[in-house]
Amino acid sequence: DTEVTQTPKHLVMGMTNKKSLKCEQHMGHRAMYWYKQKAKKPPELMFVYSYEKLSINESVPSRFSPECPNSSLLNLHLHALQPEDSALYLCASSQDASLSYNEQFFGPGTRLTVL
Amino acid sequence: GQQLNQSPQSMFIQEGEDVSMNCTSSSIFNTWLWYKQDPGEGPVLLIALYKAGELTSNGRLTAQFGITRKDSFLNISASIPSDVGIYFCAGLQGAQKLVFGQGTRLTINP
Repeated sequence: DTEVTQTPKHLVMGMTNKKSLKCEQHMGHRAMYWYKQKAKKPPELMFVYSYEKLSINESVPSRFSPECPNSSLLNLHLHALQPEDSALYLCASSQDASLSYNEQFFGPGTRLTVL
Repeated sequence: GQQLNQSPQSMFIQEGEDVSMNCTSSSIFNTWLWYKQDPGEGPVLLIALYKAGELTSNGRLTAQFGITRKDSFLNISASIPSDVGIYFCAGLQGAQKLVFGQGTRLTINP
């Protein structure tokens, strides 16, 4: 299994809602990532988890809260978002964040719309 | 944050033509990756390059890791309609942080 899965595919939420994005991989990878991608722009790194510990937070606002319950799962909890947070949220995984040969594999993304 | 200079931004070609795109950076990278992204989907890894000067092929795709470690190019030979999409280069800083180019949008006229 060489796939990263993400749910839901689409999400519409109000600014007062609390929702979660989920990501799963069964490749035995020990590093997982959250990216945000706006239209016609490249992905921008938000968070990196290595061996289930948060290793990079790219100064992301606290209304985005990541969680890594185990080595296969990655969640992104959303609360009090703004319309400008609407974007494609991508999850990725790689074998080991401490290795130099560390290509990242992306999931299909969750299209988030904040009303 | 740091960005890679990817060119061209867009290409309009005829089916069957060859395609070439490249990325340059002011910084050295240890790994260069090339991805293709279709609308509404996640990027799909095409080729990974690990050593300066390395030339790697994947079917009709060929990519090279520049000798200075500050650039890379991707060639697509004999383009077909399913090659349409956005191509991103990405350089790996350390082992965790991918820096992306702005993308090259490829359009193919049949």
